[in-house]
Amino acid sequence: DVKVTQSSRYLVKRTGEKVFLECVQDMDHENMFWYRQDPGLGLRLIYFSYDVKMKEKGDIPEGYSVSREKKERFSLILESASTNQTSMYLCASRQQGITEAFFGQGTRLTVV
Amino acid sequence: KQEVTQIPAALSVPEGENLVLNCSFTDSAIYNLQWFRQDPGKGLTSLLLIQSSQREQTSGRLNASLDKSSGRSTLYIAASQPGDSATYLCAVRPSNAGNNRKLIWGLGTSLAVNP
Repeated sequence: DVKVTQSSRYLVKRTGEKVFLECVQDMDHENMFWYRQDPGLGLRLIYFSYDVKMKEKGDIPEGYSVSREKKERFSLILESASTNQTSMYLCASRQQGITEAFFGQGTRLTVV
Repeated sequence: KQEVTQIPAALSVPEGENLVLNCSFTDSAIYNLQWFRQDPGKGLTSLLLIQSSQREQTSGRLNASLDKSSGRSTLYIAASQPGDSATYLCAVRPSNAGNNRKLIWGLGTSLAVNP
């Protein structure tokens, strides 16, 4: 079975802190994604990566950056956390081609 | 611009009922459509993936159909159980150039199956 693992289930950070959310997949997938999910807004794509060191902005990249130094790991970085970044963050991965997407268990981030 | 709609937003049924969840999309140029389940506070679990050339997919008590020409998919759940209570999300992968890496999401149907 595909396994996508996010480093934390719950995080509480202070405004202005630099925050790292880590995601690791074990199926050698080329494509990886970071979403945030908010009530009434659904899932919104922040960034995705289609290969090592490759990244592309999603629909709401402002305030975020990403890093993909190794194929299995995709990191989301909040350079200076703000309260409006309080959300559920979801990581996903997918093999290249027209294939199924698999998700991690989610990280509930609260910025106070 | 592709838009995905799921109706109803919430559904409550007694245990044992067969039920249908709906997903509609505005542009038939898609590679595939995927149904997911999400339990409260958790990530998404993939249920079924239907490629654009397929009409339906089945997994256990779940059956998903796809009618590309009318822009519709349904998820049929047979003999519902309280453990089926969750939010069900559908997402389409557009096939038009320049936009085919991303999934377009519905807002989900929140299902409650009452014992």
